[in-house]
Amino acid sequence: KAGVTQTPRYLIKTRGQQVTLSCSPISGHRSVSWYQQTPGQGLQFLFEYFSETQRNKGNFPGRFSGRQFSNSRSEMNVSTLELGDSALYLCASSWHPTSPSVYEQFFGPGTRLTVL
Amino acid sequence: TQLLEQSPQFLSIQEGENLTVYCNSSSVFSSLQWYRQEPGEGPVLLVTVVTGGEVKKLKRLTFQFGDARKDSSLHITAAQPGDTGLYLCAGADSGGGADGLTFGKGTHLIIQP
Repeated sequence: KAGVTQTPRYLIKTRGQQVTLSCSPISGHRSVSWYQQTPGQGLQFLFEYFSETQRNKGNFPGRFSGRQFSNSRSEMNVSTLELGDSALYLCASSWHPTSPSVYEQFFGPGTRLTVL
Repeated sequence: TQLLEQSPQFLSIQEGENLTVYCNSSSVFSSLQWYRQEPGEGPVLLVTVVTGGEVKKLKRLTFQFGDARKDSSLHITAAQPGDTGLYLCAGADSGGGADGLTFGKGTHLIIQP
């Protein structure tokens, strides 16, 4: 079974530009979540999508947005890039977004975004 | 806001030694997960513990969930260079979903041959 794939793996942009990252979940998984990972803040939750609907959003500015398609693939977009947006952006998929006491998700390799 | 504190932040030991890393919080979690992340890759789920006091073993790795479900530990016996990586704990609240997950900042572990 193929894992979560993310494209591109590496990206270099300049301040003010925008960027779109793509994530393909594990086949059959309908929930896709996005995280930002930096050395200082660790893993921070951006948003989660299930069945093309955003379930919840973390504490990030509106420059960060996302969407999910009918095949469960997801994209996230960051507009007006800032230096502080340099990070590893991780996508994770799960079969279902809710569970009584357990939520297990599977991560992709990430997209390393560098903003110059 | 729930917080998970991991300690130590960095650990470098020789091959064959034992080690324990900790994940502590003042909040109660419905479950807790441990991940290992290698450079250039995403985190890989190692284990999920659900019941207070639960102990799970994965070869040389032993995971324990505190009785009060506020803390957890990971013990590695006879560490090997292949154990090198960033170890992350993540606590889930009862709400479920990714927004209910709180991640610690991780323990960077280096096992020297």
